[in-house]
Amino acid sequence: AQSVTQPDIHITVSEGASLELRCNYSYGATPYLFWYVQSPGQGLQLLLKYFSGDTLVQGIKGFEAEFKRSQSSFNLRKPSVHWSDAAEYFCAVGNSGGSNYKLTFGKGTLLTVNP
Amino acid sequence: EAGVVQSPRYKIIEKKQPVAFWCNPISGHNTLYWYLQNLGQGPELLIRYENEEAVDDSQLPKDRFSAERLKGVDSTLKIQPAELGDSAVYLCASSPIIGGPGTGELFFGEGSRLTVL
Repeated sequence: AQSVTQPDIHITVSEGASLELRCNYSYGATPYLFWYVQSPGQGLQLLLKYFSGDTLVQGIKGFEAEFKRSQSSFNLRKPSVHWSDAAEYFCAVGNSGGSNYKLTFGKGTLLTVNP
Repeated sequence: EAGVVQSPRYKIIEKKQPVAFWCNPISGHNTLYWYLQNLGQGPELLIRYENEEAVDDSQLPKDRFSAERLKGVDSTLKIQPAELGDSAVYLCASSPIIGGPGTGELFFGEGSRLTVL
């Protein structure tokens, strides 16, 4: 069974600073990888996804993530954080099981942005 | 194009009462999911439908939870009777068929927040 670990429960950064949120996964084959963002009282919005090919993927709102197979990681980065980026971020891993597809989420990282 | 629609957004009930949540997926999405999200946690799958068939309900507590998707479009999740520990957000998501455009990506509704007193 696949699993996801987000080691950081809560991260605080200053506006304009760079950001990296960590994500490690466990899955026996090449996974589908996702980052979702959730603002308070809202559903989950997809930031970016990796299926195959280029290991550096670009997403919305200036976010990017890099798939590193050797480290089983898919860390999310942004060069300059804006106050509106304050939210909870979830990493998710999907198997490539076709009709048995399953998407498993990490516990999330809460991002606070200081002015 | 309309997104995933859920109702009600908020529901407050007393324990032992029944409650139902409704979800209308994105048009053309044959796969529908119900997830449970406890406070400060990531979403956890309750049940997944392929059209009208429940293909993964292994995490659904069947003693008090039930779900249906009668015509393969919208779905209802019911809890009867509700317990204090059921207070959470119930998220519905849909996705297109695996192997097609958007493979693996789930599109989420805004959720239904349940408070059991």
